[in-house]
Amino acid sequence: AQSVAQPEDQVNVAEGNPLTVKCTYSVSGNPYLFWYVQYPNRGLQFLLKYITGDNLVKGSYGFEAEFNKSQTSFHLKKPSALVSDSALYFCAVRDGNDMRFGAGTRLTVKP
Amino acid sequence: GAGVSQSPSNKVTEKGKDVELRCDPISGHTALYWYRQSLGQGLEFLIYFQGNSAPDKSGLPSDRFSAERTGGSVSTLTIQRTQQEDSAVYLCASSLYGQGAYEQYFGPGTRLTVT
Repeated sequence: AQSVAQPEDQVNVAEGNPLTVKCTYSVSGNPYLFWYVQYPNRGLQFLLKYITGDNLVKGSYGFEAEFNKSQTSFHLKKPSALVSDSALYFCAVRDGNDMRFGAGTRLTVKP
Repeated sequence: GAGVSQSPSNKVTEKGKDVELRCDPISGHTALYWYRQSLGQGLEFLIYFQGNSAPDKSGLPSDRFSAERTGGSVSTLTIQRTQQEDSAVYLCASSLYGQGAYEQYFGPGTRLTVT
């Protein structure tokens, strides 16, 4: 079965600094990978996805993610973090009919 | 256009009572999912509907949980004889199709508290 892992429960960065939220995957074949964000007391919002092609995927709110096949990773990145980026981030992989989510990483951006 | 809606937004119930949670997916989306999320943790898959096919119930934690989807649109998740461990946020999501690269769109969730 396909799966994703988010090795960090918590990531702290200062406002204006670059941020990275890590995700690694385990799939057979070519993966469909996704990032979602959950703001406090809200449902999950789709950020971006990788299907095929360019390894650098750009998404909403200035986020991007880099697909690395050799390292089986799909890390979420942003060049300059904002306090408003503080939220819970989920990596996910499509597994047939289902979507498998990671455990989530809580990002805190401090002023 | 309208997103996924869920009702009620909050539900407090006594242990042993039955509850019904409603999800109204995005119009035209053939796939519908229910998840459970406890205290800002990860998502636990519950059940998946795709068109008129038999639902994938593999994630339902016990036979107290059931769900139906009427007319390929609105879905209701029913929890019978609620227990305190059922307390969680129940999230509904829909996508255009259930396979491939189609992303899911989530509703705001129903926060269930069993006292």
